[in-house]
Amino acid sequence: DTEVTQTPKHLVMGMTNKKSLKCEQHMGHRAMYWYKQKAKKPPELMFVYSYEKLSINESVPSRFSPECPNSSLLNLHLHALQPEDSALYLCASSQDSYSNQPQHFGDGTRLSIL
Amino acid sequence: DQQVKQNSPSLSVQEGRISILNCDYTNSMFDYFLWYKKYPAEGPTFLISISSIKDKNEDGRFTVFLNKSAKHLSLHIVPSQPGDSAVYFCAASDSGAGSYQLTFGKGTKLSVIP
Repeated sequence: DTEVTQTPKHLVMGMTNKKSLKCEQHMGHRAMYWYKQKAKKPPELMFVYSYEKLSINESVPSRFSPECPNSSLLNLHLHALQPEDSALYLCASSQDSYSNQPQHFGDGTRLSIL
Repeated sequence: DQQVKQNSPSLSVQEGRISILNCDYTNSMFDYFLWYKKYPAEGPTFLISISSIKDKNEDGRFTVFLNKSAKHLSLHIVPSQPGDSAVYFCAASDSGAGSYQLTFGKGTKLSVIP
């Protein structure tokens, strides 16, 4: 069982909708991440939160808006997405973002944009 | 420019035999390496890691070998089991640049034949 929980597992939305992806971990990790993964490709880093502060934004379009309400939760707010944004969105966490510790992934949210 | 390469897209192995998955990297600053396993419809699961100060790390049936001079690492699974059938990703990071930044290979699909 994964210790990083993501909801929903699947999401279909139109280009004008607003929705949110949620991620939760209770491992006491202080770094949390959002990745995007397209079919047959490796995960691509989008955002890094360290101690609940956004530390890295990998040039992600503003239609993706991350939020870290507390040390256990990470949200990704979606608005006015494009069909090319359809992908698997993965959340991960690690002890911190600066020491050699593995990142642990959730099972992802499969997002389809109509 | 792909900094982490997994040159074999797929590998088939008989149950009970050894599976050897290979990974090459080009960035000499990488000092932490990880292997992840991914089943369809699930997120990547962390398997094993190795720091560049070591050349071998073992965890049960899984052993990772690191050859820094050749910039090569491999994952050995002994004995292979049908449940090991999955896509395996190699990943690397440079702790000096921020260990949050994982660079993934494209993955190798392992099929263990009963």
